[in-house]
Amino acid sequence: GQNIDQPTEMTATEGAIVQINCTYQTSGFNGLFWYQQHAGEAPTFLSYNVLDGLEEKGRFSSFLSRSKGYSYLLLKELQMKDSASYLCAVLDSNYQLIWGAGTKLIIKP
Amino acid sequence: GAVVSQHPSRVICKSGTSVKIECRSLDFQATTMFWYRQFPKKSLMLMATSNEGSKATYEQGVEKDKFLINHASLTLSTLTVTSAHPEDSSFYICSARSVRQGDTGELFFGEGSRLTVL
Repeated sequence: GQNIDQPTEMTATEGAIVQINCTYQTSGFNGLFWYQQHAGEAPTFLSYNVLDGLEEKGRFSSFLSRSKGYSYLLLKELQMKDSASYLCAVLDSNYQLIWGAGTKLIIKP
Repeated sequence: GAVVSQHPSRVICKSGTSVKIECRSLDFQATTMFWYRQFPKKSLMLMATSNEGSKATYEQGVEKDKFLINHASLTLSTLTVTSAHPEDSSFYICSARSVRQGDTGELFFGEGSRLTVL
């Protein structure tokens, strides 16, 4: 079966760095997405990785290792507004998005 | 990035009535649109995938006759919740993707529609 695993909840301090991990087992792979979702709102796109390595975009970076079926989202200089759920999703061989359950990130002052 | 507009953002209806939610891609042609439902404190659940000009593909457990999906043009898909009941109250989100050579396959999401059935 297809499976995406990510921690249910994480807590971090304002100004710090946090890494949210995602492991996946899917039928085929056409890329991995990270989305941010604030409560009551639709998800917004953060990053897309299809090749191994690190993609940096401002305070957010995303890493992918296809051989390990592993990705992480790195958030630096955390701000209170970063409190949200972070969804990992994989595009499988049929171009269907397989979603993780999301990681709720709580930022404390 | 590309813009997907979803309407209405909030709707309240009486039990037994039908509600239509529209999803429009404003600045690109969406060959594929996805409809999701989100239960409280849960992740998104894919309901169906619709390709322009063909019947939607529903996920297991989703009632086709209750959730009617129409993707009549490359910029518009509609979800109609028929004979709504209180248990249909939820947050419904659409997303669109343009599958062309060179596209990342990135999904663009609508703002979501919160349905409350009384």
